[in-house]
Amino acid sequence: DQQVKQNSPSLSVQEGRISILNCDYTNSMFDYFLWYKKYPAEGPTFLISISSIKDKNEDGRFTVFLNKSAKHLSLHIVPSQPGDSAVYFCAASNDYKLSFGAGTTVTVRA
Amino acid sequence: GAGVSQTPSNKVTEKGKYVELRCDPISGHTALYWYRQSLGQGPEFLIYFQGTGAADDSGLPNDRFFAVRPEGSVSTLKIQRTERGDSAVYLCASSSLAGAATDTQYFGPGTRLTVL
Repeated sequence: DQQVKQNSPSLSVQEGRISILNCDYTNSMFDYFLWYKKYPAEGPTFLISISSIKDKNEDGRFTVFLNKSAKHLSLHIVPSQPGDSAVYFCAASNDYKLSFGAGTTVTVRA
Repeated sequence: GAGVSQTPSNKVTEKGKYVELRCDPISGHTALYWYRQSLGQGPEFLIYFQGTGAADDSGLPNDRFFAVRPEGSVSTLKIQRTERGDSAVYLCASSSLAGAATDTQYFGPGTRLTVL
């Protein structure tokens, strides 16, 4: 059963504009949420996380928003840069076991 | 410092054969995880080691899959009687602490297994 869903398989955005990636989850026991970024032929790299006690966490150009009542989180990238072109995975956990979404491929156009 | 390494990077085998996939975690990391990523999906948890012992192997799909970590560092994922459905990228990750949700998991590049 897919406990974490990323309904948009791809996103194309112009350089300098905002990228918004969405993620929904079904398990109310999840209390920690993460975004990973993956380039081809490399493993996923941790990007940013948020605890369920918060609704926003910011790190430079990356901000993650959490809406617990809607079981929804999003990742905002502002401004988008060509190096941001990658696959982004949303993940959730309540212990060591990460549950991942299927990923969103982001393409940043020059 | 060196990240998580996995060998081989690619493995092609025939149906019914036995394969071993190796993972070298970041030095000093006590927690080690295996995940499997099938085409078009996100990684799925297979097994978690804390030190030498498998603390949680609930994600292993069946008894053809087995993993060991005899000295608490390098781990080997073993697949017997491979099937075409085993074709996937097998990812290894490690973390420094006791395997809590907040411990960042650092992933290796994966081994792409193709079963013909």
